[in-house]
Amino acid sequence: GENVEQHPSTLSVQEGDSAVIKCTYSDSASNYFPWYKQELGKGPQLIIDIRSNVGEKKDQRIAVTLNKTAKHFSLHITETQPEDSAVYFCAALDSSASKIIFGSGTRLSIRP
Amino acid sequence: EAQVTQNPRYLITVTGKKLTVTCSQNMNHEYMSWYRQDPGLGLRQIYYSMNVEVTDKGDVPEGYKVSRKEKRNFPLILESPSPNQTSLYFCASSPRQGARTEAFFGQGTRLTVV
Repeated sequence: GENVEQHPSTLSVQEGDSAVIKCTYSDSASNYFPWYKQELGKGPQLIIDIRSNVGEKKDQRIAVTLNKTAKHFSLHITETQPEDSAVYFCAALDSSASKIIFGSGTRLSIRP
Repeated sequence: EAQVTQNPRYLITVTGKKLTVTCSQNMNHEYMSWYRQDPGLGLRQIYYSMNVEVTDKGDVPEGYKVSRKEKRNFPLILESPSPNQTSLYFCASSPRQGARTEAFFGQGTRLTVV
C-alpha cells in the first residue's frame, strides 16, 4: 500500500521568510495529494491540493509542487506570518482510491 | 453551519470498560472515516465508510468497531479499551464516495485509558 514520508518534523522560520515542507510517496499510481493544516486544539483543515495532471498549484502565499517521476511533492509558504504557525500534514490518495494516507506531520513555528 | 461533531471532546476511562465516541455530520456526505493521531505517526485511518451499511478497515482497525446505520452518523466503538488506545481521535467526512475530495474533520476526542 501507499506510504508517505514527510520532512522535517519541526521547522522554525523568521516571520516574513519562506517555509518549505517536503513529502515523498511510494505508490506511483497515486494521483491526488492534499495538504492539511492543524491549528492547536482543532481538527485538520484542507489548505491546498494537487492532482497528478499538473506540476504546480498556487493559492496566494501557498504553493504546492509535484514531481511524479521522483514521487515527491512539496508545500511552499512565502512571506510567513504568525498565523501560519501550526502542524502541517501532507497526504496521498491510496491507489484503491478509498483512503488518504497521511505523512507524520511538520510543526511549523514562525519567529517574530 | 456545516460541520462534523464529535462527542465527547475529552474522555478518561478504565481498561476494559466499553465506550462509544459519536460522530455526526450535517453536510449529507457519503464518505466518513475515523483516524487516530499519535506523536510522530501522523493521522492513521482506523475505519472508513463509503455509504450507509458499507464499512471497511483502515490501517489500524484492531480493537475498534464502527457502524453506519444512517448517513449522518458514524460512531466509533471500543469494546474493551486498553492503554495503547490512548490517543487523539478524529472523525472526518467527504462529499462523495471515495477519498478524492476534501475531508472535513471534527474537533477531535482526546481519549485516555488508564
